[in-house]
Amino acid sequence: DQQVKQNSPSLSVQEGRISILNCDYTNSMFDYFLWYKKYPAEGPTFLISISSIKDKNEDGRFTVFLNKSAKHLSLHIVPSQPGDSAVYFCAAKGSGSARQLTFGSGTQLTVLP
Amino acid sequence: ETGVTQTPRHLVMGMTNKKSLKCEQHLGHNAMYWYKQSAKKPLELMFVYNFKEQTENNSVPSRFSPECPNSSHLFLHLHTLQPEDSALYLCASSQEVVSGGPTARTQYFGPGTRLLVL
Repeated sequence: DQQVKQNSPSLSVQEGRISILNCDYTNSMFDYFLWYKKYPAEGPTFLISISSIKDKNEDGRFTVFLNKSAKHLSLHIVPSQPGDSAVYFCAAKGSGSARQLTFGSGTQLTVLP
Repeated sequence: ETGVTQTPRHLVMGMTNKKSLKCEQHLGHNAMYWYKQSAKKPLELMFVYNFKEQTENNSVPSRFSPECPNSSHLFLHLHTLQPEDSALYLCASSQEVVSGGPTARTQYFGPGTRLLVL
């Protein structure tokens, strides 16, 4: 049973618009959440993270929102650029049995020029 | 060379072959990881080495054998693999504060080895 779920395998957005990628989790022990970006033929690269003590973290065009009660987080990219086209992975970790990173299956974002 | 490197980048092997994947990190980290990524599936953690000691083995079949000779190098020895083992194998590293303590928050990944088992 997947503890981190990305229910949208793909998303297409027009350049300049907002991209919203969603992620849901089931394990209440998760207290730290990350987004990774992956281009073809490259490994995942860290993008942005958020601790469970916050509900928002912003870094330039990227903002991550966390809704603990809904066990939901989202990544907003605005404005979207063609270079943002990649697979985005949501990951989560906590303590004890949740100490290692657990990844979602990824969402392929395509930003259309 | 910077970051995390993996060789080979692509590998085709028969089910009776023995091969090894190599990972090297140039970040001064003390923890290294092997992940498997199959198509359309999440990354699956296979092994964790923390301060050169194996601390996690996620029920990985014995046909996969890891080796960590030092904190900069990690190998994955492969023998008698099955076609369903075909996948992208990713290596990662991180900086742990203390052995056995809370795991680091950010891992840095290599480009992966694309493995095809015929």
